[in-house]
Amino acid sequence: DTGVSQDPRHKITKRGQNVTFRCDPISEHNRLYWYRQTLGQGPEFLTYFQNEAQLEKSRLLSDRFSAERPKGSFSTLEIQRTEQGDSAMYLCASSLREGADTQYFGPGTRLTVL
Amino acid sequence: TQLLEQSPQFLSIQEGENLTVYCNSSSVFSSLQWYRQEPGEGPVLLVTVVTGGEVKKLKRLTFQFGDARKDSSLHITAAQPGDTGLYLCAGSGGYQKVTFGTGTKLQVIP
Repeated sequence: DTGVSQDPRHKITKRGQNVTFRCDPISEHNRLYWYRQTLGQGPEFLTYFQNEAQLEKSRLLSDRFSAERPKGSFSTLEIQRTEQGDSAMYLCASSLREGADTQYFGPGTRLTVL
Repeated sequence: TQLLEQSPQFLSIQEGENLTVYCNSSSVFSSLQWYRQEPGEGPVLLVTVVTGGEVKKLKRLTFQFGDARKDSSLHITAAQPGDTGLYLCAGSGGYQKVTFGTGTKLQVIP
């Protein structure tokens, strides 16, 4: 399967702990996006990369959140000092070309902060 | 800020009925996508529409992009329980950002 993959699929953590999620995009896609989605709502944009460059960050992305894509392939999203309000589905998507293009989503990582 | 509003938010229908979901905005989009999402999974792409007035059919699903590229509709004929899910429209306006609609939760009762 050559779709977008995410790991882990589920993460349960205690408040105050740090967590890191990984996303592997479709191999030839140079754009990678992170979204957060709460139950029954549409995804909310967090940040995106073109190759290894992080080009835009939403104001939803507080200082506790950091994302990297060091080699322009996989990406990681880290949340430090997690809070209960961070509980959500974290989705990764990738797209092929510059300009507006269709994004293909991974299965998501469900984070629960106790 | 580009906003996409979907209606209805919730829809519960009997198997075999027809339905239409709407996606509206005051902004113009260069393309618009429809996704279906099941609980605990990521959105799965159904279709991309690009040209104003464009109509695309995918089996029992018919997608239309408004002439002014500000709105879209999804029509399902003879709905089946397997159509149950969260339907999301997403518009590409700027050169990098996609705006998602508020979602329509569809339940098809056997």
